[in-house]
Amino acid sequence: EVQLVESGGGLVQPGGSLRLSCVASGITFSRYWMHWVRQAPGKGLVWVSRINPDGSSTNYADSVKGRFTISRDNVKNTVNLQMSSLRAEDTAVYYCARVQRQLMILDAFDLWGQGTMVTVSS
Amino acid sequence: EIVLTQSPGTLSLSPGERATLSCRASQSVSSYFAWYQQKPGQAPRLLIYGASNRATGIPDRFSGSGSGTDFTLTISRLEPEDFAVYYCQQYVSSPLFAFGPGTKVEIK
Repeated sequence: EVQLVESGGGLVQPGGSLRLSCVASGITFSRYWMHWVRQAPGKGLVWVSRINPDGSSTNYADSVKGRFTISRDNVKNTVNLQMSSLRAEDTAVYYCARVQRQLMILDAFDLWGQGTMVTVSS
Repeated sequence: EIVLTQSPGTLSLSPGERATLSCRASQSVSSYFAWYQQKPGQAPRLLIYGASNRATGIPDRFSGSGSGTDFTLTISRLEPEDFAVYYCQQYVSSPLFAFGPGTKVEIK
């Protein structure tokens, strides 16, 4: 079955760290750019980060730059988001998403995980 | 920096009616443009990419048009399952992959 499954969310104190993972199945994972998108409770979608197929190139939203690190393991078909120096405003559901076409840098997201909730609170 | 503006914020319609949703970009994004549908508690679902191409499995009552700065999503006849929030997205310019604020289509 073609799917993305996120894990790793939870409750963390301000200033803390958390590592999210997204496992892909049913796709040729190593040929796709992968992204993280988040959604605060009751709010809209916000793009967070992306990584190229071989993991050598990454980009971040200004709001998370220097605090979040995206990485991937093409053997385990996994993309990770290491989050540190977490703030209350990072509270959100975090989705991983795949672009529609293999090796395409600029493309819409046609496959999404179910999301994992991150709550930053003392 | 490109800003996406969606209108209206909320659209109140009855099943069977036509829905017209708009999204305007502050600068041209060519056709690097998508529409997504999101229902409560669910991940977004890609409807339209390249401004006017339906994604796999999307019913033909959904259509997208426009290029440059002005885009429209049309739902020709609303089905009960179409009541949801719709987001536009550009994927060509800074901020990368930015989404619009969303339009809620609710039952009148």
